[in-house]
Amino acid sequence: EAGVVQSPRYKIIEKKQPVAFWCNPISGHNTLYWYLQNLGQGPELLIRYENEEAVDDSQLPKDRFSAERLKGVDSTLKIQPAELGDSAVYLCASSLGFVNTGELFFGEGSRLTVL
Amino acid sequence: EDKVVQSPLSLVVHEGDTVTLNCSYEVTNFRSLLWYKQEKKAPTFLFMLTSSGIEKKSGRLSSILDKKELFSILNITATQTGDSAVYLCAVEARDYQLIWGAGTKLIIKP
Repeated sequence: EAGVVQSPRYKIIEKKQPVAFWCNPISGHNTLYWYLQNLGQGPELLIRYENEEAVDDSQLPKDRFSAERLKGVDSTLKIQPAELGDSAVYLCASSLGFVNTGELFFGEGSRLTVL
Repeated sequence: EDKVVQSPLSLVVHEGDTVTLNCSYEVTNFRSLLWYKQEKKAPTFLFMLTSSGIEKKSGRLSSILDKKELFSILNITATQTGDSAVYLCAVEARDYQLIWGAGTKLIIKP
């Protein structure tokens, strides 16, 4: 069974440039999460989807970040324009559903460096 | 404010030692506590705990939850170099939110 797939694995951009990350969750998983992780810290939730609905986006900086999950499967996270402080690992995770969150399956992450 | 605190932040031991990692929490409407292991890349699931006093065990790893004192411990016996990782604790609270600790970085020396 394929796991959560993310791309690109690494991205280096200059500040003010746009960047996009893509995530393909495990087949059948209704819940999809985007997390931001800085070195030495735990993951911080950016947005959580139930199917195609964003049920928790309270921590998403909406002035520069946007996300979508068309058809309730793949998801894209975009940053425009990027700032130096956005350098981090962006993790995508999926789970069967939020009624009993249980195990989250994580992708390998997209490491962003903003110069 | 909901919070999850892990201790110690880092730990260095020798192969064969036993380690105990701690996770304390203050959250609204506790639902479950989860432990993950993160090596260089993605966190991988270890345990989910929902009931006090019931030990979950997998090989050399075990974990238990105390809902009265609001903490959990993760034990690793006979540590191996492959156990070197960051161990993350997360608590599922109100509205199914997951609150993550900062992690404990464990280094096992040969």
